[in-house]
Amino acid sequence: ETGVTQTPRHLVMGMTNKKSLKCEQHLGHNAMYWYKQSAKKPLELMFVYNFKEQTENNSVPSRFSPECPNSSHLFLHLHTLQPEDSALYLCASSERQSSYNSPLHFGNGTRLTVT
Amino acid sequence: AQTVTQSQPEMSVQEAETVTLSCTYDTSESDYYLFWYKQPPSRQMILVIRQEAYKQQNATENRFSVNFQKAAKSFSLKISDSQLGDAAMYFCAYRSAEDNNNDMRFGAGTRLTVKP
Repeated sequence: ETGVTQTPRHLVMGMTNKKSLKCEQHLGHNAMYWYKQSAKKPLELMFVYNFKEQTENNSVPSRFSPECPNSSHLFLHLHTLQPEDSALYLCASSERQSSYNSPLHFGNGTRLTVT
Repeated sequence: AQTVTQSQPEMSVQEAETVTLSCTYDTSESDYYLFWYKQPPSRQMILVIRQEAYKQQNATENRFSVNFQKAAKSFSLKISDSQLGDAAMYFCAYRSAEDNNNDMRFGAGTRLTVKP
């Protein structure tokens, strides 16, 4: 059983839709992350929240909007996406961002398809 | 910026045999951590093993061990007595212990197939 839960597991949306991805962690961690995983490419870090504060936004287009209401929950709001945004979106958590020896704990991901 | 390279997009191994997955990285730092993650079809990334750069002794976890060559910037994963459940994508990752921007950097992955 995973300590990081992501919903939905699959999502198909049109380019004009608005949807949200949800992530919840039950590990007492203080840092949460959104990664994008595309085929045959390294995982791309999108956003980092440390103690509910956004600490990184790696040049992600504004059609992706993160929200972190508390240390246990993380959302990724999606609107006006493009087909190239289709990918597996992974949420992860760690004790805190600066704990370099603390591994990331991942959820099962949301497989997003933009039509 | 640090980069992680996995030069083997796909590997296969016979059940009960041993396989080694390669990983190299580029860094000018001396203090960092290295990780191997496994991603089975369930899609959840699971930590397999980790290595601290200042430790010379190679990390081991049951059937999994690493060959850490700091000078060569190489961090290979050896899986002994391969099992069908080992079939997955394997990702090598680097995390700085010196930089405030110490986000984990991943390689592109190696798909491991285990043949019965």
